[in-house]
Amino acid sequence: AQSVTQLGSHVSVSEGALVLLRCNYSSSVPPYLFWYVQYPNQGLQLLLKYTSAATLVKGINGFEAEFKKSETSFHLTKPSAHMSDAAEYFCAVAYSGGYQKVTFGTGTKLQVIP
Amino acid sequence: NAGVMQNPRHLVRRRGQEARLRCSPMKGHSHVYWYRQLPEEGLKFMVYLQKENIIDESGMPKERFSAEFPKEGPSILRIQQVVRGDSAAYFCASSRGDRGPAEAFFGQGTRLTVV
Repeated sequence: AQSVTQLGSHVSVSEGALVLLRCNYSSSVPPYLFWYVQYPNQGLQLLLKYTSAATLVKGINGFEAEFKKSETSFHLTKPSAHMSDAAEYFCAVAYSGGYQKVTFGTGTKLQVIP
Repeated sequence: NAGVMQNPRHLVRRRGQEARLRCSPMKGHSHVYWYRQLPEEGLKFMVYLQKENIIDESGMPKERFSAEFPKEGPSILRIQQVVRGDSAAYFCASSRGDRGPAEAFFGQGTRLTVV
């Protein structure tokens, strides 16, 4: 069974500091991995996705994530946090096998301190 | 994503009433996914539909919940005889083909409150 674990339900960083949101996956087959962002009372917006091409994936708003098979990780990073990055971030996994059913992590709320 | 339209955005129902949630997929998309987000939890898959077909409803509660995606019109998630535990945000996503989240776009959700 596929699943993702997000370490830390709340993360606080200072404006301008590095953002690191952790995600580990458990999948019996090569996964597709995703990071989504959700602003308050909004839907989910896809930040980036890994689909077995390059292991370093660049997304929108300056975010990127690196797929590390040996660590079964797909951590999300951004070099310098901006106040507008304050939101909830969800890691998600799916696998290729016909249609894909996404499994989401429980989310990490990012607070950016001025 | 503004392309997937869900309505209403907010819905209040009394216990025992019916709730109908609508999802209009993006133009050209024929695959629809419904997810439920309970407070302080991630999204949970409920059902996957194509036009006039339910492909996978393994995440749907066995009773009171049903979904459809008719040939014409939006996809509908129906909850009969709602209870307090049904209070959640319900999200719809759509995709062009069967590649699911690799191409899926999410709507802004319907927040259901049962009083």
